[in-house]
Amino acid sequence: SYELTQPLSVSVALGQTARITCGGNNIGGKSVHWYQQKPGQAPVLVIYRDNNRPSGIPERFSGFKSGNTATLTISRAQAGDESDYYCQVWDSSTVVFGGGTKLTVL
Amino acid sequence: QVHLVESGGGLVRPGGSLRLSCAASGFTFSDYYMSWIRQAPGKGLEWVSYISDGGTAEYYADSVKGRFTISRDNAKNSLYLQVNSLRAEDTAVYYCARGGGNAAANDYWGQGTLLTVSS
Repeated sequence: SYELTQPLSVSVALGQTARITCGGNNIGGKSVHWYQQKPGQAPVLVIYRDNNRPSGIPERFSGFKSGNTATLTISRAQAGDESDYYCQVWDSSTVVFGGGTKLTVL
Repeated sequence: QVHLVESGGGLVRPGGSLRLSCAASGFTFSDYYMSWIRQAPGKGLEWVSYISDGGTAEYYADSVKGRFTISRDNAKNSLYLQVNSLRAEDTAVYYCARGGGNAAANDYWGQGTLLTVSS
């Protein structure tokens, strides 16, 4: 079965740029979606189809793919960005989530 | 605005059954694929199942195949998940989410309903 690999944790200084990676075989050929989840809350879609932001999501959030890795970039990180982040793809009629990355804003 | 409200969770003994429900509003329910996604306590997200807009196609994660059944009633704007032969590892918050088929994202999520499987 298809697997997505994310780092368990990423730290970023306040106001700096955070990058969260999501690795998978031939991920370049798949649409990647990203979700933000704060403690006790439902996930929120922050990037869809690789690099598109839903309405209401700040421009500070962006997505990028290169080779076997997709990356969620959060510019000018704020304390409110501290959350768990999950990548997701669709593979052979099933849906796959990455294991999630905890972002800490220092 | 889009609103998804899950219900039906609770405490069930191993081997038991339950039906989870999701009431949808604020959009044309019959136009969208719908999904169930779960999250075990302290763990990540796990896709469970999705169903096509007309209800004619269903897909399941291997971990639930043969035990769980997804269904929908477009006249009632409702999504369901029948969960049978429950195991301790099925303990999780179950989220209803819009979308999921044809590589689409899940753009709206409910707040979830907690299912606990324990003797």
